[in-house]
Amino acid sequence: ETGVTQTPRHLVMGMTNKKSLKCEQHLGHNAMYWYKQSAKKPLELMFVYNFKEQTENNSVPSRFSPECPNSSHLFLHLHTLQPEDSALYLCASSQMGANTGELFFGEGSRLTVL
Amino acid sequence: GESVGLHLPTLSVQEGDNSIINCAYSNSASDYFIWYKQESGKGPQFIIDIRSNMDKRQGQRVTVLLNKTVKHLSLQIAATQPGDSAVYFCAENRDDKIIFGKGTRLHILP
Repeated sequence: ETGVTQTPRHLVMGMTNKKSLKCEQHLGHNAMYWYKQSAKKPLELMFVYNFKEQTENNSVPSRFSPECPNSSHLFLHLHTLQPEDSALYLCASSQMGANTGELFFGEGSRLTVL
Repeated sequence: GESVGLHLPTLSVQEGDNSIINCAYSNSASDYFIWYKQESGKGPQFIIDIRSNMDKRQGQRVTVLLNKTVKHLSLQIAATQPGDSAVYFCAENRDDKIIFGKGTRLHILP
């Protein structure tokens, strides 16, 4: 069992649907991240939350809306997505300020947009 | 944009042989690099890291080499095993953000 849990593991949605991805970390970390992983592309950093404050929004379209209610939970709200948004969405956590590049990833949510 | 990248998208190695996965970076000011392993159906997992004040760092069966002159780093896996089959990513810590390069898929031949 990993310290970072993502739900759902698989999601199929139409372009007009609204859905949310959930991430929970049990590691006591103070930073959480959303990455997008598409085929044949590097992992793309989408959002960074440090102590619940968003510190990075990597030019992500507004149809992706993150929410971090506390340092253990992170959501990615999805609405009016496009087929090219189909990808594996990975959540990660870390202890920012610990002078390490070690991220702890969940197993990802595989999203298919029809 | 991407500042770290891998040379080969796939690498096939005989079981028991050593594997060498290469990565190049473009920013000479980069000072901290990390290697991650991603097995099928899982998220990436930290393997080993290295800072620019070092040329070499060893872990269990893995060694990372850093050549700052040519802006190149490599991950060496000794005595490759079937469980090493995965996609390997080099990454850079830039302003407290981990930026990943494209991966190399390591195939283990029996």
